[in-house]
Amino acid sequence: EAQVTQNPRYLITVTGKKLTVTCSQNMNHEYMSWYRQDPGLGLRQIYYSMNVEVTDKGDVPEGYKVSRKEKRNFPLILESPSPNQTSLYFCASSSWNQPQHFGDGTRLSIL
Amino acid sequence: RKEVEQDPGPFNVPEGATVAFNCTYSNSASQSFFWYRQDCRKEPKLLMSVYSSGNEDGRFTAQLNRASQYISLLIRDSKLSDSATYLCSSNSGGSNYKLTFGKGTLLTVNP
Repeated sequence: EAQVTQNPRYLITVTGKKLTVTCSQNMNHEYMSWYRQDPGLGLRQIYYSMNVEVTDKGDVPEGYKVSRKEKRNFPLILESPSPNQTSLYFCASSSWNQPQHFGDGTRLSIL
Repeated sequence: RKEVEQDPGPFNVPEGATVAFNCTYSNSASQSFFWYRQDCRKEPKLLMSVYSSGNEDGRFTAQLNRASQYISLLIRDSKLSDSATYLCSSNSGGSNYKLTFGKGTLLTVNP
């Protein structure tokens, strides 16, 4: 089954404790992206990647890191999480010029 | 001006009504456009793709007007199950491929 898998689905953690949200897709898509969604602000892009070893900042990259060492994986790293990063996060992937497939989302709470 | 802007809503309509959403985009180089449906706290799911002038799928019709840089979504004979948030997105095209989403429009269909 074609899918984008994010883990964990839910996480409550504390300020400053490094965390990684994993994202994996099995559709051989070139393009992968991370978004955060907050009430009233819609989906905002954090980082995206057009292919292996190619990443670029989205609209709200501060406080986040990503890597694209393999085509299928695109982890999101929060080196020192802060409460303003509490949000609903989505990973998505697509082929060129095609619609994105989204993961189920990760609900992150930073205390 | 934001890259993608949508009617903020919310839209409250009775069952059976026809409802239309508009979405404007600022990047004239955008090549493809998509409408997504998002239920509360769930991932966005593709509703329609629009690559040329328009697309139709059952009760749903999407139209693209490149001259005025907007896309629209028309829902005919609305059902209770159509209640959701509708997101439009566009890609920037070219070598700087980037997908941008509007903030979404909330639709509630009432019995």
